[in-house]
Amino acid sequence: QVQLQESGPGLVKPSQTLSLTCSVSGGSISSGGYYWSWIRQHPGKGLEFIGYIYYSGSTYYNPSLKSRVTVSVDTSKNQFSLRLSSVTAADSALYYCARAAYVSGSYAFDCWGQGTLVTVSS
Amino acid sequence: EIVLTQSPGTLSLSPGERATLSCRASQSVSGSYLAWYQQKPGQAPRLLIYGASSRATGIPDRFSGSGSGTDFTLTISRLEPEDFAVYYCQQYGSSPLFTFGPGTKVDIK
Repeated sequence: QVQLQESGPGLVKPSQTLSLTCSVSGGSISSGGYYWSWIRQHPGKGLEFIGYIYYSGSTYYNPSLKSRVTVSVDTSKNQFSLRLSSVTAADSALYYCARAAYVSGSYAFDCWGQGTLVTVSS
Repeated sequence: EIVLTQSPGTLSLSPGERATLSCRASQSVSGSYLAWYQQKPGQAPRLLIYGASSRATGIPDRFSGSGSGTDFTLTISRLEPEDFAVYYCQQYGSSPLFTFGPGTKVDIK
C-alpha cells in the first residue's frame, strides 16, 4: 500500500521560498501512470491544486501559481518536492502531497499524505 | 476556468437519514471527469467516487454518485455516525486541470 509523507519547515519568512518534500513508500514513483501532486488547504477553507510532476519530469502548474512554483522529482530517493517562491501570509496553509491515478479515463487523487502546516510569518 | 459550486453549504441530518449533495459546474465537465472526496477533521481527504459514479476501493455501497455535464450528485443512502464530515467535488480536465468545489459539511442534527 502506497503511503505519502510530507516534510519541511513549518515556518517560512515572507518573501522567502517554501520548500517541502514528499516521500513515497510502498511503491515506486518510477512505475509510471501517476501524477505526483501538491495540493494546499487554507485554514477552514477548501482545496487548491498547486501542481504535479510525472516520473519522467514533465510538470503542470496551476496558472494562478505558475510563476512561483517548481515541482521536482528524485526517483533515486522516491521523493518529489515543492518549491514556492516569494511567499506571503496568503501562502500559509496545510500542504498535502497526493497521487493522482488514472481511473475510468480520468484522474482522481487516490492517495494522500497527512499534510503539513506551513505558516508564513516573520 | 471551470468553477464548481456545491450546495447546500451545510446539511444537518440525523443518523439513518438520506443525504443528497449537489455539485454544479460552470461549464460542462468532459467525460464525467468528476470525483468526490470525504474529509474529516484533522485528516486528509479520502477519495469516494471517481468518474462521477464509480466507487473507489473500499468505499461502502451506501455512497453513490450520479450526474453528467454540469450537474452531479453524491448520495449517502443511510447516514452512519462516521459519515459526518465535509464532502468536496473535484473536476479534471479544464484549466487549471484540477478544481475543487468549496465543500458541503454534513453535520449531526
